[in-house]
Parts: sequence; C-alpha cells; structure tokens
Amino acid sequence: EVQLVESGGGLVKPGGSLRLSCAASGFTFSSYSMNWVRQAPGKGLEWVSSISSSSSYIYYADSVKGRFTISRDNAKNSLYLQMNSLRAEDTAVYYCARVFEWLRESYYYYYMDVWGKGTTVTVSS
Amino acid sequence: DIQMTQSPSSLSASVGDRVTITCRASQSISSYLNWYQQKPGKAPKLLIYAASSLQSGVPSRFSGSGSGTDFTLTISSLQPEDFATYYCQQSYSTQSTFGQGTKLEIK
Repeated sequence: EVQLVESGGGLVKPGGSLRLSCAASGFTFSSYSMNWVRQAPGKGLEWVSSISSSSSYIYYADSVKGRFTISRDNAKNSLYLQMNSLRAEDTAVYYCARVFEWLRESYYYYYMDVWGKGTTVTVSS
Repeated sequence: DIQMTQSPSSLSASVGDRVTITCRASQSISSYLNWYQQKPGKAPKLLIYAASSLQSGVPSRFSGSGSGTDFTLTISSLQPEDFATYYCQQSYSTQSTFGQGTKLEIK
C-alpha cells in the first residue's frame, strides 16, 4: 500500500525550531519529487516547499524562505522539513505529498496524488 | 506569485444538483491546474489533474475544463459524500499556489 506518514509535530515557543519527518512506503520514493503543504486552523491549503527526486531542485513559499529547509534521504525513504524561527502564523497541520509527473504531448504536468494524514505544529508561548 | 481565485467561496446545493465551481488564475497557466477535495479532519484528495483528466478511482460525475486563466470543476449530480471543500491548485510555477477553497454545503 502506498503510504506517507508524517511525524515530529508538537508545541513550540515562538522563535523555536522543529523538524518534521515523512516516512514513505509502498512506492519507489527516490523516483518522485515531494511537497510539504500546510493548513492553518480553519484556513485553506498553502504550498510550503518542494524537492526534486535527487534533491537537485528545491523551492519554497516566500512565507517560509530563509526559515525552513526541506531535505530528503532516499536511502531511508524519508522527507524532512526543518523549521526554524517559528512564528505563531506557522501554526498548522503539515502534510507531505507525493508529486506525480505526467507526460502529455511533450509537456510534464505535476500534481499531488498521495498525501499523508498530517502532523500538527502549534507555535505559542 | 500566481494568485488563484475561486468562486463562490461557499455554495449550498441539494443531492442530485449539478454544481460548478470556478477557478481563475492571475496569469495564464495553460492546463497546469489541479482540483482537490477535502473533508473535515482529512487530507486532501486529488480529483482532477491537468485541468480535465480524471484521477483513477474518482467518480465520473466529476469533470474539469478550461485552460489559460479560467477553469471549472463540475459535479454533474451531487451525492451525499460530495459535500466537502474543494481547492484548485496551479502547478505552472515552481511556487505552487492554491485557491482559497469552495465549501459545498447541503441545502
């Protein structure tokens, strides 16, 4: 069964750090780009960061650039999000998601076809 | 950043109704548009990718159309399990963005 399981969430004070993990199983993890997406309480979805299969390409939302670092360990089938200088507005459920790359008529299309259940991060004093 | 705007933000409908949700991009995104469904307390679920392709296992009452800046998600005959929040997402830019969501409620 294809599965993603996030862990590492919790309560942290403003200015603190936290490292999220996402364990992948049931597919060849090293072949896929991966995303982190978050959802603040009662709000919509926000894309946070992307990493390519070999970690060659990494992108961040402006809201987290310079504070968050995405990484992966293909030998361990794991994705990570190191979050530093946390703010109250980073409070959210954080999802990891697999990015599927679909080739149609010489163009690649990207979409998130497998999602974890999420881990909750609360930033509060 | 590419801004994605959905309308309406909320919608009340009855079982059996035909429903259309619109998503507009702030610039052309070709067909790099995906639709997701989310139920309370659950992770999002992919419905439509590349604007009009139905994800495997998704009922055929769901369909997507559009290209450039204007896109629609249509549910041809609402079922009780379709009451949820729907999000569009552009994957044209390396910085992906979502619409604000459309909450579909039972009338």
